[in-house]
This record gives sequence, C-alpha cells and structure tokens, in this order.
Amino acid sequence: EDKVVQSPLSLVVHEGDTVTLNCSYEVTNFRSLLWYKQEKKAPTFLFMLTSSGIEKKSGRLSSILDKKELFSILNITATQTGDSAVYLCAVGAGNMLTFGGGTRLMVKP
Amino acid sequence: EAGVTQFPSHSVIEKGQTVTLRCDPISGHDNLYWYRRVMGKEIKFLLHFVKESKQDESGMPNNRFLAERTGGTYSTLKVQPAELEDSGVYFCASSPWTANTGELFFGEGSRLTVL
Repeated sequence: EDKVVQSPLSLVVHEGDTVTLNCSYEVTNFRSLLWYKQEKKAPTFLFMLTSSGIEKKSGRLSSILDKKELFSILNITATQTGDSAVYLCAVGAGNMLTFGGGTRLMVKP
Repeated sequence: EAGVTQFPSHSVIEKGQTVTLRCDPISGHDNLYWYRRVMGKEIKFLLHFVKESKQDESGMPNNRFLAERTGGTYSTLKVQPAELEDSGVYFCASSPWTANTGELFFGEGSRLTVL
C-alpha cells in the first residue's frame, strides 16, 4: 500500500525562525510530489515536484525532491505568523494523490 | 473565477439517516475527485470522475456511499444509511488534468458529523 509520512507532526517556532518540514514516501508508479498549505479549510497549492535535485522556490518557501532516497523537504525562511497552518505533502501515482498526515506549524509573534 | 464550492459546509445527522453532499467544480474542469479526512487520519482518496464517468472508485469504503456526476458538471456524494465512522471532512477537488500531472484545486470541505 502506498504510504506518505510527514514529520514532525507539529512545530512551534517564533517569527523569523527557519523551519524544515519533511515528507518521505513509498509508492508504486511515482509521478509527482505536491505540497499544500491548509490554513482553515481548503488546502491551497504550493509546489509540485517531479525531478530530483531541482529546487522550487516561491518567496520565502522552497522545496526539493530526492527520488533516490524517496523524500522531500519544504523550507520556510523568516517565518511569519501568517505561515501558521497545516502543511500537507501528497504523492501523485496513478490518478490519485496519497496524502501524508500533515505537519501543523504554529508561528508565534 | 469561482473556486470549487461544496455544500453543506457542516451537516449533523443521526446514525441511519441519509446525507447528500454536493460539489461544484471549477467550470471547465473535467476531473473531479472526492477525498475524505476522518478524525486523526490522513486525507484519503474516495473516487475520481472524468466528466460524467467514474474513472476510479477504489477508495469508496462500501456500498453505503454513492457518487454521481450527471452531465459532467456538479457531483453529489450520498451516504445512506450513515454510520458513526462516516464522520469526517469530505473534500472535493477538480482539475483540468489528472492528479499526477498537476495541482488539484480543493473546496473547503463538507464536515459530516454522525451522532
């Protein structure tokens, strides 16, 4: 059975800190890995990664994929209170996404 | 442009009753997905429509769940009769491509509470 594991489960930091969120996976027919941010209700898309070693970047957020070791990381630098959310990792295989349990990030002022 | 909309946002029913959840995808999106998150667990795939056809319903838990997408526009997910373990948040997502080739656009979810 396909499996996606995220760590840590939760994290509390102060504004300005840098955080690294982890996602490891075991899936057959891997096609892509996606990161989503869920603040209150609808998960919103952050990144999609398909190739190893190529960093994707958007402002203070960046992500990279390692297809040999089967993991991805999501980095957030200079965190702000608005970064507080659940961050979801999902792996695309076949026609569906398999989600990890999420990392709950709280950024304190 | 309107996003994916789901109705109701929250439904509270008693065990044995019927509930129908509705999803309106983004206009023009042929792919429509239902996912579910039960308390303390990951978001899990339920099924996938391409237009009005069920492409994959391998995640549907049992025959108390029935999904339809007549006309290839909005979709409904009916639970009949509801059981306690059906409580959770039901997410709908749509996209113009399949899940492994691009992002899915999610609705805010319908929270179902079965008492």
